[in-house]
This record gives sequence, structure tokens and C-alpha cells, in this order.
Amino acid sequence: AQSVTQPDIHITVSEGASLELRCNYSYGATPYLFWYVQSPGQGLQLLLKYFSGDTLVQGIKGFEAEFKRSQSSFNLRKPSVHWSDAAEYFCAVGPLGETDTGGGNKLTFGTGTQLKVEL
Amino acid sequence: EAQVTQNPRYLITVTGKKLTVTCSQNMNHEYMSWYRQDPGLGLRQIYYSMNVEVTDKGDVPEGYKVSRKEKRNFPLILESPSPNQTSLYFCASSPRGGRFNEQFFGPGTRLTVL
Repeated sequence: AQSVTQPDIHITVSEGASLELRCNYSYGATPYLFWYVQSPGQGLQLLLKYFSGDTLVQGIKGFEAEFKRSQSSFNLRKPSVHWSDAAEYFCAVGPLGETDTGGGNKLTFGTGTQLKVEL
Repeated sequence: EAQVTQNPRYLITVTGKKLTVTCSQNMNHEYMSWYRQDPGLGLRQIYYSMNVEVTDKGDVPEGYKVSRKEKRNFPLILESPSPNQTSLYFCASSPRGGRFNEQFFGPGTRLTVL
């Protein structure tokens, strides 16, 4: 069964500092990987996604993520954090393929990492 | 504008009072899903539908029902809500087939059951 692990429940960084949020996945097929952000009281916003090609993907708001197949990881990074980045971040894995899969293209989410930014 | 809409956005109800949360998408997607989000648990799939009149259980279906009579709508029904169904609910849709089965999420419905 697929699973996603986000080992850090809470992370605190100073504004302007760099950020790395960890994500490890377990998936039996070729994965389709996502990072979502949820600001307080808001819905889910897609930051970036990866399915093939260059293993370093760029997203919105200055975020990037690197896919490392050998480590089953898809860590999210940002060189300089802004106070407005304070939010909860979710890593997710889903099916990549042309055939129907169980769960109707279900995404399996990690438990989230809450980011706090100190001014 | 391509979107998934949910109503209501906020709902406070009492134990046992039947309720329905509506979900509608305007992208002609075949697949639709309901997820619930709980602190420390992330999002978990409740039910999904692969097309009209085709629905199936997700990971946490107990206490919920769904229907898919039209392609665009996928309501979530709680026939007898209980406090443990207090949660944030998201509807999602995605196209069938192709390599890029990205899901599009609605804005969420925050449900409180007293």
C-alpha cells in the first residue's frame, strides 16, 4: 500500500532563512508527486508537482522540490522564507498512468508539516 | 473559470440531524472524490466515483453516503452525524485517463457536529 511520511510535524524558521521540508513516500508504481500548501482557514493550493523529467521542479511562490528515486524522497525547499509562508504543507503521492487505478486517482497524503516563521 | 465548488463552506449541526454537503465541478471530469482532513492525520479519502452511478468506498467510509446521478455533482450525505465526523471536508475531481491525473480541490467545508 502506498504511504507518505512527513517526519517533521512542526518547523520554525526565521524570516529570510532557508527551508527544507522532508517527504518520503512508498509507492508500488511510478509515482506522481505533489506538494500542497494550506494557509490558516484556507483550502489546498498546489505548489508544485512532479511526474517525470528533470528531478528538480519549480513551483509557485519561489518553492522547488527535488525528486530522489533512490531515497524515495521529494523534499520541498525555499532559499529565503517570507512571513507569509507560515502555513501547513502537505506532500502527496498519486497514480501516474493511463489505466484506471483503484481509488479513482486517489491521492495519499502525508500528515502535514506546520511551518512557523519568526520575524 | 474551471473550478470545484462546495456548499456550505461552514456548518454547525447536532448529532443525528441528517445533512448533505454538495460538490459540483464544471470541468467535465469523470472522477470525483471526498476527503476529510483531521489534525495529525492529513487528508483521507472517504468515497470516490469513477463515473455517473459508479461509486466506491475510500479509506474511511463509515457514516457517509454519496451519490453520483449527474457527472458534475457528487454530494456527501451524513444520515446521522456524530461528533467524530467533525472535520474539514474537501471534494476533488480529476479527468479519467491520460498520464496527468491531477486532482482539483474545492475550497473545503468545515463541519462541526455537537
